[in-house]
Amino acid sequence: DTAVSQTPKYLVTQMGNDKSIKCEQNLGHDTMYWYKQDSKKFLKIMFSYNNKELIINETVPNRFSPKSPDKAHLNLHINSLELGDSAVYFCASSLGHFTGELFFGEGSRLTVL
Amino acid sequence: QKEVEQNSGPLSVPEGAIASLNCTYSDRVSQSFFWYRQYSGKSPELIMSIYSNGDKEDGRFTAQLNKASQYVSLLIRDSQPSDSATYLCAVMNAGNNRKLIWGLGTSLAVNP
Repeated sequence: DTAVSQTPKYLVTQMGNDKSIKCEQNLGHDTMYWYKQDSKKFLKIMFSYNNKELIINETVPNRFSPKSPDKAHLNLHINSLELGDSAVYFCASSLGHFTGELFFGEGSRLTVL
Repeated sequence: QKEVEQNSGPLSVPEGAIASLNCTYSDRVSQSFFWYRQYSGKSPELIMSIYSNGDKEDGRFTAQLNKASQYVSLLIRDSQPSDSATYLCAVMNAGNNRKLIWGLGTSLAVNP
């Protein structure tokens, strides 16, 4: 069983469309994250949730909306996609939000045309 | 702005040599330090964490921390071509709103 799984792995879409990425972890962790890694490979945190509560909300456009229905799931919905949204989006989880020991999903590569 | 800095490389070493990867951080009160490995097209994977000054060894990997100099390094002994990857240094900042501050990574190439 994959510890942190994300779907879909690839998304190709047109500007202006809306898309969602789903993430699930079976590690029993309390904290989940969304990271964005752009073409320059910089890993930037977007959001983190601890037991379904939003803990970190970085300077991210309002078009990005996370949702955590329970502590094992964290989804990311993106409205009105722009070219600059093209990146790899990683979901991750950790035991708690005070640890830096993260387990990453395989990533979802988003290409906006 | 709290920062974590790494030499982007590429660092090229021959197979069997010691690879030395370095990282400096600006937040003096940081307490937790991590090295992640990321193969091309894959996700980051934690390989070492270190919390106290000194050395921590795990197989061929040794993490070294010097809080006074705000410096953390990763040594890879007997480097193998399979170690070729980008190595990301991450530092947990202090305070209630803790989060990992990431370096840009150092690309390592181990040549057979």
